[in-house]
Amino acid sequence: EAQVTQNPRYLITVTGKKLTVTCSQNMNHEYMSWYRQDPGLGLRQIYYSMNVEVTDKGDVPEGYKVSRKEKRNFPLILESPSPNQTSLYFCASGTGGHTGELFFGEGSRLTVL
Amino acid sequence: GIQVEQSPPDLILQEGANSTLRCNFSDSVNNLQWFHQNPWGQLINLFYIPSGTKQNGRLSATTVATERYSLLYISSSQTTDSGVYFCADDRGYNKLIFGAGTRLAVHP
Repeated sequence: EAQVTQNPRYLITVTGKKLTVTCSQNMNHEYMSWYRQDPGLGLRQIYYSMNVEVTDKGDVPEGYKVSRKEKRNFPLILESPSPNQTSLYFCASGTGGHTGELFFGEGSRLTVL
Repeated sequence: GIQVEQSPPDLILQEGANSTLRCNFSDSVNNLQWFHQNPWGQLINLFYIPSGTKQNGRLSATTVATERYSLLYISSSQTTDSGVYFCADDRGYNKLIFGAGTRLAVHP
């Protein structure tokens, strides 16, 4: 089954404790990206990756890091989480550019105390 | 940047009713998609529809790219249709610009 898998789905953590949200896709997509969804602000892109070892900032990259060492995986790293990073996070993958559909993971609800 | 307007913002239906959701764009449409966000927060792909009309069961969508709008039709609505419906357009690099959504509540 074609899917984008995120883990963890739910997490409560404390300020400053490093965490990683994993994302994996089995569709051999070149493009992957991370979004966050906040009330009143909608979904905003954090980072994207066009291929292995190629990543770039989206609209709200501050406080986040990413890496793309393998085509299927695109983890999101919060080195020192803060309460303003409490949000619902989505990983997405697609064929990229102006050519195709984007598929989303089930979301990871993160709370930073 | 591109502006995406969705209407209506909120919609309450009785089970079995039909509805039309609209999405207007301020710029040309590239790769329009419709999503349903269910009450558990999951984003479900409904349609990838840069132009033309598609149907999937009780749902159908039409995009008129030249006039910069798209419509989502829900027929014979069910309580499981409740949630938020988003339209979004791909501006390149997997960057979808989302509308604010239409919040739908279907009551039995």
